[in-house]
Amino acid sequence: AQSVTQPDIHITVSEGASLELRCNYSYGATPYLFWYVQSPGQGLQLLLKYFSGDTLVQGIKGFEAEFKRSQSSFNLRKPSVHWSDAAEYFCAVVRTGGGNKLTFGTGTQLKVEL
Amino acid sequence: EAGVAQSPRYKIIEKRQSVAFWCNPISGHATLYWYQQILGQGPKLLIQFQNNGVVDDSQLPKDRFSAERLKGVDSTLKIQPAKLEDSAVYLCASSLVQGRDGYTFGSGTRLTVV
Repeated sequence: AQSVTQPDIHITVSEGASLELRCNYSYGATPYLFWYVQSPGQGLQLLLKYFSGDTLVQGIKGFEAEFKRSQSSFNLRKPSVHWSDAAEYFCAVVRTGGGNKLTFGTGTQLKVEL
Repeated sequence: EAGVAQSPRYKIIEKRQSVAFWCNPISGHATLYWYQQILGQGPKLLIQFQNNGVVDDSQLPKDRFSAERLKGVDSTLKIQPAKLEDSAVYLCASSLVQGRDGYTFGSGTRLTVV
């Protein structure tokens, strides 16, 4: 069965510091990969996505993610975090050729200290 | 473009009562999804429609949950009778092309069963 693992439940960083949120997936083939952000009381907003090609993808709000096939990872990064980035972040995958079901990880709650 | 519309935003009911949620996807999006997000967890797919047909309802508790999308546009999700463990946020999403373009989510309906 497909699975998505986000090993960090909570992360706290200082404003201006760099950020990396981890995501690993278990598949034989490369799935479609996504990162979503959810602010309190809000729906999910798509930050970025990867299908193929360049393994470093740029998203909105200054975020980027790097796909590493050898590690089955798709980690999210931001060079300098802003207080408004405090939210919950979800990694999600769609298994190619498998019904296109979007499966989410359990999420990482980001806290930003001023 | 208008986003995915959901109503109501909040609902409180007693256990064993029934409740219905409504979703209007982005115009032209053929695929519609209902997700359940329990506090502290990632969203879980309940049902996926392609136009007015069901593609995947493998995780829908069919003894109490039902969903329809009669004209291939808006959709309703119903719970009857509700249980305490149904307390969650119910998210609706839609997509233009299955899988690749990510999904656009509504703001969700927060259900509390007391």
